[in-house]
Amino acid sequence: AQSVAQPEDQVNVAEGNPLTVKCTYSVSGNPYLFWYVQYPNRGLQFLLKYITGDNLVKGSYGFEAEFNKSQTSFHLKKPSALVSDSALYFCAVPGNFNKFYFGSGTKLNVKP
Amino acid sequence: EAQVTQNPRYLITVTGKKLTVTCSQNMNHEYMSWYRQDPGLGLRQIYYSMNVEVTDKGDVPEGYKVSRKEKRNFPLILESPSPNQTSLYFCASSRTGGGSYEQYFGPGTRLTVT
Repeated sequence: AQSVAQPEDQVNVAEGNPLTVKCTYSVSGNPYLFWYVQYPNRGLQFLLKYITGDNLVKGSYGFEAEFNKSQTSFHLKKPSALVSDSALYFCAVPGNFNKFYFGSGTKLNVKP
Repeated sequence: EAQVTQNPRYLITVTGKKLTVTCSQNMNHEYMSWYRQDPGLGLRQIYYSMNVEVTDKGDVPEGYKVSRKEKRNFPLILESPSPNQTSLYFCASSRTGGGSYEQYFGPGTRLTVT
């Protein structure tokens, strides 16, 4: 069955430093992979997706993600974190029969 | 403005009292879905719909019903709510199923069942 895992409940980073939020996947075949962000008291917003092609995917708000097939990972990255990036981040993968599976979420704290 | 709307945003109810959470999208999307969000568990899919009159179970469908009589609307029905259905609920839509399109999410409905 398709699934994703986010091994870190929380990531702390200082403003201006690079950030990484980790996601690993278990998918049969070629995966579609997504990242979403949830700001406090809001619904989820789409950040970026990997369908096929370049392993480095660029998305909204300066975020990017690197697809690594050998490590079955799809880590979210940003070169320089902002306080306003503090939020809950979810990776997601479509499953069989048009279902969708989300990771457990990683809370990103960016300190000034 | 393209959006997914949900109502109500907050709801406190008692065990066994039937309730409906409405969801509507204005993007002519074929695929719609309901999720619940619980701490430490992320989002889990309750039901989804590929198009009008086509619905199917997600991973946690017990205690919920849905219908899709019109393309834009996808209400979630709890016929006899129980305290373990206390959660944050999200409706989402995407252009089609198949998994390649991003989903657009509503603002969420926080449900408390006492």
